[in-house]
Amino acid sequence: KQEVTQIPAALSVPEGENLVLNCSFTDSAIYNLQWFRQDPGKGLTSLLLIQSSQREQTSGRLNASLDKSSGRSTLYIAASQPGDSATYLCAVGSTGNQFYFGTGTSLTVIP
Amino acid sequence: NAGVTQTPKFRILKIGQSMTLQCTQDMNHNYMYWYRQDPGMGLKLIYYSVGAGITDKGEVPNGYNVSRSTTEDFPLRLELAAPSQTSVYFCASSYPGLAQDTQYFGPGTRLTVL
Repeated sequence: KQEVTQIPAALSVPEGENLVLNCSFTDSAIYNLQWFRQDPGKGLTSLLLIQSSQREQTSGRLNASLDKSSGRSTLYIAASQPGDSATYLCAVGSTGNQFYFGTGTSLTVIP
Repeated sequence: NAGVTQTPKFRILKIGQSMTLQCTQDMNHNYMYWYRQDPGMGLKLIYYSVGAGITDKGEVPNGYNVSRSTTEDFPLRLELAAPSQTSVYFCASSYPGLAQDTQYFGPGTRLTVL
């Protein structure tokens, strides 16, 4: 069974800092990997989707990378803003339409 | 487009009661999913469907049932509610293929079983 781990569980940074969130998974036979943002009491919003054949995806200040062989993905956030404060979840899509989520990293950006 | 909608937003059940959580999407997505999220935990897949009339179990299906009679609707049924089913339930949909695997989530249903 796929196990997905996110480190750190919580992160607090001053506004303007660049930061990296980590996601690791145990089975490299993945279909895709998706990063989500979740605001308190809300649903999930997709940020970036990386297919298994891709190495990275970029959207604005966000960049996600994927290294299947080492079972790792990182989400890089440039020039962080208070509005980036949320919980960030990664989800690994495996064969058989099964998706496995990490427990998330709670990010606080201090003005 | 409204996207993925879920009703109700909140519900309190007594042990042994039954209820149906409703999920509807208007994006003509083939795939639909039900997840539960316990406090401080990631989401776990309960059931999914790859099209009308086709459903399959996810990681934690016990105590739940689903049906998919139309492309738009994917209700989740709890037959005999138990305290262990207290959770936030999310419905999602996607249209697999090329770069269209992105899952779109509803706002969630917060269920408490007492």
